[in-house]
Amino acid sequence: EAGVVQSPRYKIIEKKQPVAFWCNPISGHNTLYWYRQNLGQGPELLIRYENEEAVDDSQLPKDRFSAERLKGVDSTLKIQPAELGDSAVYLCASSLGGGVALSEQYFGPGTRLTVT
Amino acid sequence: EDQVTQSPEALRLQEGESSSLNCSYTVSGLRGLFWYRQDPGKGPEFLFTLYSAGEEKEKERLKATLTKKESFLHITAPKPEDSATYLCAVQAWSGGYQKVTFGIGTKLQVIP
Repeated sequence: EAGVVQSPRYKIIEKKQPVAFWCNPISGHNTLYWYRQNLGQGPELLIRYENEEAVDDSQLPKDRFSAERLKGVDSTLKIQPAELGDSAVYLCASSLGGGVALSEQYFGPGTRLTVT
Repeated sequence: EDQVTQSPEALRLQEGESSSLNCSYTVSGLRGLFWYRQDPGKGPEFLFTLYSAGEEKEKERLKATLTKKESFLHITAPKPEDSATYLCAVQAWSGGYQKVTFGIGTKLQVIP
């Protein structure tokens, strides 16, 4: 069974430039998460989707970050414009359940973003 | 605010030297606690879910336990391939949402 797929794996951009990350979750997983992980820290949730609906985006910096999950499968996370402090690994995860269900998450390999 | 604290931040063991990692948490409405393993350059890999105090789960050399305030990940006779960062996460009700909060992890190094 294929795992969570993310692309690109690495991205280097200059500050003020836009960047986008793509995620394809495990087939059949309705819940999709985007996390940001800074060096030496645990993952921090940015947004959680239940199918097409963003059910928790309270931690998403909405002035520069946006996300979408069209058709309830693939998802894209965008930053515009990027700042130096956005350098981090952006992880996508998916799970079978969500909401009131307790369900383990399966993570992709992440996209390492470097903003110069 | 939900808090998850892991200790120690780093641990170096000789092969075969058993030890425990700690995850203490302060949350209201705990729904479950997760343990993940993360290798360098990879995403976290799910290990265990614990739901209630007194629960224990085992997988190979790993055993996870849960009390009302903390969880332990016991590593028995570790091998070099157990070297990784071990992350603890809690899922709890917070502000009307089901939130998952991760700790910063314990970086484990097992020396042959």
